[in-house]
Amino acid sequence: GAGVSQSPSNKVTEKGKDVELRCDPISGHTALYWYRQSLGQGLEFLIYFQGNSAPDKSGLPSDRFSAERTGGSVSTLTIQRTQQEDSAVYLCASSLSQATGANVLTFGAGSRLTVL
Amino acid sequence: GEDVEQSLFLSVREGDSSVINCTYTDSSSTYLYWYKQEPGAGLQLLTYIFSNMDMKQDQRLTVLLNKKDKHLSLRIADTQTGDSAIYFCAEKKHSNYQLIWGAGTKLIIKP
Repeated sequence: GAGVSQSPSNKVTEKGKDVELRCDPISGHTALYWYRQSLGQGLEFLIYFQGNSAPDKSGLPSDRFSAERTGGSVSTLTIQRTQQEDSAVYLCASSLSQATGANVLTFGAGSRLTVL
Repeated sequence: GEDVEQSLFLSVREGDSSVINCTYTDSSSTYLYWYKQEPGAGLQLLTYIFSNMDMKQDQRLTVLLNKKDKHLSLRIADTQTGDSAIYFCAEKKHSNYQLIWGAGTKLIIKP
């Protein structure tokens, strides 16, 4: 597609429920990132996918968080048993993954998650 | 360690120049970036600079890089209300896909 697409744009859920957030990156971008942005805060790295390599999961805050990327394209971030502190905007970005080049990230508009 | 620091807020009058500053600690950084985030939107790349440059200009935007002091700045000339946003500084190390992000500077425009 022309840009990075994320869905849903807004999600309100009850504490304890599971949620799935979807990211459709730019076609041909092999790198995909998930970040979390809490109200008034900067970007918190969650997970990074690069082609067929094992993902870098070092930023996932707990084992309630998981992500997958099927066929090297669409990615789903799953949060199980949601807690109120999970409320945030979840941003997805993709890039051509240039390790030695500029590696410009293109971001989606984000999925705003509110846990009641 | 890896750290990118920015002031949280900057307030300027419409028509004045805005200068947003950023400091970083990793001398091996190869690229440094400025991204803009408008309310309710994702981040949008404004510009980036390679570490062997000390200045880059693009219309109203001027990026200055002082590699010795590990200081990056973004100057916006003739600041307009549409420039109201959060500006994020980020750095990239050689042979590493990851970007290290600052916390963002919220630019407030006074009429």
